[in-house]
Amino acid sequence: EVQLVESGGGLVQPGRSLRLSCAASGFTFDDYAMHWVRQAPGKGLEWVSGISWNSGSIGYADSVKGRFTISRDNAKNSLYLQMNSLRAEDTALYYCAKDTSSAYFIDFDYWGQGTLVTVSS
Amino acid sequence: QSALTQPPSASGSPGQSVTISCTGTSSDVGGYNFVSWYQQHPGKAPKLMIYEVNKRPSGVADRFSGSKSGNTASLTVSGLQAEDEADYYCSSYAGNDIVVFGGGTKLTVL
Repeated sequence: EVQLVESGGGLVQPGRSLRLSCAASGFTFDDYAMHWVRQAPGKGLEWVSGISWNSGSIGYADSVKGRFTISRDNAKNSLYLQMNSLRAEDTALYYCAKDTSSAYFIDFDYWGQGTLVTVSS
Repeated sequence: QSALTQPPSASGSPGQSVTISCTGTSSDVGGYNFVSWYQQHPGKAPKLMIYEVNKRPSGVADRFSGSKSGNTASLTVSGLQAEDEADYYCSSYAGNDIVVFGGGTKLTVL
């Protein structure tokens, strides 16, 4: 059974940093691209960032480019999101999602339950 | 990176069909056959319903179908059932390792 378990969320002050993690199991992690997708309270889904199986392709939404860094450790079956210079508008539930492709950013067939990030003073 | 355009709401009676549109540009929806649709019930994670424009994952009812014409993709739900009431989101690959989502459509079963 595919499982994606996010962690690392919490309350953080504007301008500070936070690192999210996603532990994957139930599939061959290094065969697939992975993504972070967020959802602000009461709002829609927003793709944040994606990374191919070997970290050779990485993409970011304009809203986070230069502030967030996605990475993965295939030996640990884990996905990460380093979030720096956090803003109030980054407040959201952050989902980890598995792609159906290894190298391309196509679609997300499994999702975690999300970890909540709240940016507030 | 502009969000895809979806109607905020759609509705239909049980047994009817409803179609939700998702309009983008030639740089996303129109340029690639990588359009997906997700269903999200309140408090739950999204669920993949359609991928690569018109393909259904195993376990998804064949009442759900997808299509695309030019820069607009569509999700059709036939034989509406109460459990279909949810938010629906489209997404598309937009080139240069970027994905964009639509703003979401709240489907109400009357």
